Amino acid sequence: DTGVSQDPRHKITKRGQNVTFRCDPISEHNRLYWYRQTLGQGPEFLTYFQNEAQLEKSRLLSDRFSAERPKGSFSTLEIQRTEQGDSAMYLCASSLGGTGTYEQYFGPGTRLTVT
Amino acid sequence: AQSVAQPEDQVNVAEGNPLTVKCTYSVSGNPYLFWYVQYPNRGLQFLLKYITGDNLVKGSYGFEAEFNKSQTSFHLKKPSALVSDSALYFCAVRDGDSNYQLIWGAGTKLIIKP
Repeated sequence: DTGVSQDPRHKITKRGQNVTFRCDPISEHNRLYWYRQTLGQGPEFLTYFQNEAQLEKSRLLSDRFSAERPKGSFSTLEIQRTEQGDSAMYLCASSLGGTGTYEQYFGPGTRLTVT
Repeated sequence: AQSVAQPEDQVNVAEGNPLTVKCTYSVSGNPYLFWYVQYPNRGLQFLLKYITGDNLVKGSYGFEAEFNKSQTSFHLKKPSALVSDSALYFCAVRDGDSNYQLIWGAGTKLIIKP
């Protein structure tokens, strides 16, 4: 257990529905990242927060995707009007910036299945 | 553009033998390099990193990795493999001079046979 938690662990939804995932990072970590991972592939970067500010967004993050980190603690990732191509594992990670550590600690992921 | 290549989809090693999982990278600035391991239905676990300093870095579970700047490689090694090392291994790179984004390889499945 890395100390990063994600909820839910699994989500099955019908195409066109909206889904929201939550990530609770390690409490003292100021940086939070979202990735998407499909079977047999490495994670793909989606977005990055430093405290509550969203500093980077991948072109993979279409306008159906939105992420927030309102108080610089937990974060949510929402997917609107889900499509079958959104089926993947969504991973959250956190790190402590400014200390020279650099490594990211990952949660267990939320597996999304869109039917 | 940054990229990471893990040229082997799968590596098979007998228990007790040394193992190597290969990784090559491409970044424009100074590379920050990482190895992670993923067990089935589990998140990614950090193994080790190279930021600066000694080219041989040691990490968790007896793993080590060698940074080779001229060959732009960062191969993961272990002197004596355990069956419990069987998992999916990912190499990742960050361009240390620019952004915080990690770029990941496709992963190498390591199978250790008893």
